[in-house]
Amino acid sequence: QQQVKQSPQSLIVQKGGISIINCAYENTAFDYFPWYQQFPGKGPALLIAIRPDVSEKKEGRFTISFNKSAKQFSLHIMDSQPGDSATYFCAASNGGYQKVTFGTGTKLQVIP
Amino acid sequence: DAGVTQSPTHLIKTRGQQVTLRCSPISGHKSVSWYQQVLGQGPQFIFQYYEKEERGRGNFPDRFSARQFPNYSSELNVNALLLGDSALYLCASSLGLAGETGELFFGEGSRLTVL
Repeated sequence: QQQVKQSPQSLIVQKGGISIINCAYENTAFDYFPWYQQFPGKGPALLIAIRPDVSEKKEGRFTISFNKSAKQFSLHIMDSQPGDSATYFCAASNGGYQKVTFGTGTKLQVIP
Repeated sequence: DAGVTQSPTHLIKTRGQQVTLRCSPISGHKSVSWYQQVLGQGPQFIFQYYEKEERGRGNFPDRFSARQFPNYSSELNVNALLLGDSALYLCASSLGLAGETGELFFGEGSRLTVL
């Protein structure tokens, strides 16, 4: 019940295309859903986050879509660039659990 | 401003040895969390310390222990190392309890190889 399931495991997108990464959770007590970006040799860095009281959040080329009833959320990267090539992790947290639970990661490669 | 700093960056140990990893949080952050990241997987929660007290523990054996010092820096200790302990150990700091905000600031990690 603590898991966050993430797909796809890997993704190849043409430059300028849209990258879409999906996540699903079971624990309805989760109330904060961040996305982290990790480059090789670096620690994950917070990219964008959403709370379940909104259905969408946009920051620049990055958008989170949230479907509370389906317990799913997704990251959309518009106009994908080679510099976006990284591993992306969805995550979920709840104050009562005192931790952040991460998905298994999606390795994104944006090709010119 | 300095981010989260971890040391050492890389280390090699043999089975049965003990290792201590160190972390300095961002100035002003009172919470430190430790995560284990095995190659190709997401970070797995090990511990969280807040104001020098343990505030969460993941599903790891008692060989794993940690502590937080008065200056909010932290150490992670792993005893009786096993081959399966080979991983990237990430430290993350946050202003308050990590579970409340989910906003973690990670260091670059300590890459542990157990031979």
